[in-house]
Amino acid sequence: AQRVTQPEKLLSVFKGAPVELKCNYSYSGSPELFWYVQYSRQRLQLLLRHISRESIKGFTADLNKGETSFHLKKPFAQEEDSAMYYCALSGPGQAGTALIFGKGTTLSVSS
Amino acid sequence: DTGVSQNPRHKITKRGQNVTFRCDPISEHNRLYWYRQTLGQGPEFLTYFQNEAQLEKSRLLSDRFSAERPKGSFSTLEIQRTEQGDSAMYLCASSFRQSSYNSPLHFGNGTRLTVT
Repeated sequence: AQRVTQPEKLLSVFKGAPVELKCNYSYSGSPELFWYVQYSRQRLQLLLRHISRESIKGFTADLNKGETSFHLKKPFAQEEDSAMYYCALSGPGQAGTALIFGKGTTLSVSS
Repeated sequence: DTGVSQNPRHKITKRGQNVTFRCDPISEHNRLYWYRQTLGQGPEFLTYFQNEAQLEKSRLLSDRFSAERPKGSFSTLEIQRTEQGDSAMYLCASSFRQSSYNSPLHFGNGTRLTVT
């Protein structure tokens, strides 16, 4: 069964500290993995997707097929990073299945 | 604002009543998705359309729920005989799909349903 697991409901860090939001998935094949973010009072929006292999707002995520993980990392957290973060997967290309989301992790960055 | 638009933003209804929500996707997007989100949970997939065709429905979508996208543009989600367990945020998203390319999903602000 397709499943996304985000083991931490809340992650609290101090400004300038490194951040790692964990995401593990279960999928029989090669899924596409995404991180979505929801800032306070804003709509859910894409942060990054693994096929782009890019850094957005200082965040990166590497797909580890052996560990079936797609952890989100940032070396130095900023207060404006405080938000809810969701990991999601979908079937690749032709499969085109709808996104399956994890339950989310709240990141709280304090000074 | 050329993003995904959902109406109404909030809906309070009594148990047993029918409700209908509307979603207007980004104009060039051919896929439209409905999700439901309850407190402490991530968005849960309900159904999606490619143009006017409803291609997939989740087991979460009971027979009291029906979604339409008659002209391949806006979509409506109707819940008949609402129950208190239907209280949730209903999210709409749209994307563009062509051949093997899928654009990311763009979400609306959602419709918050409260069933009393």
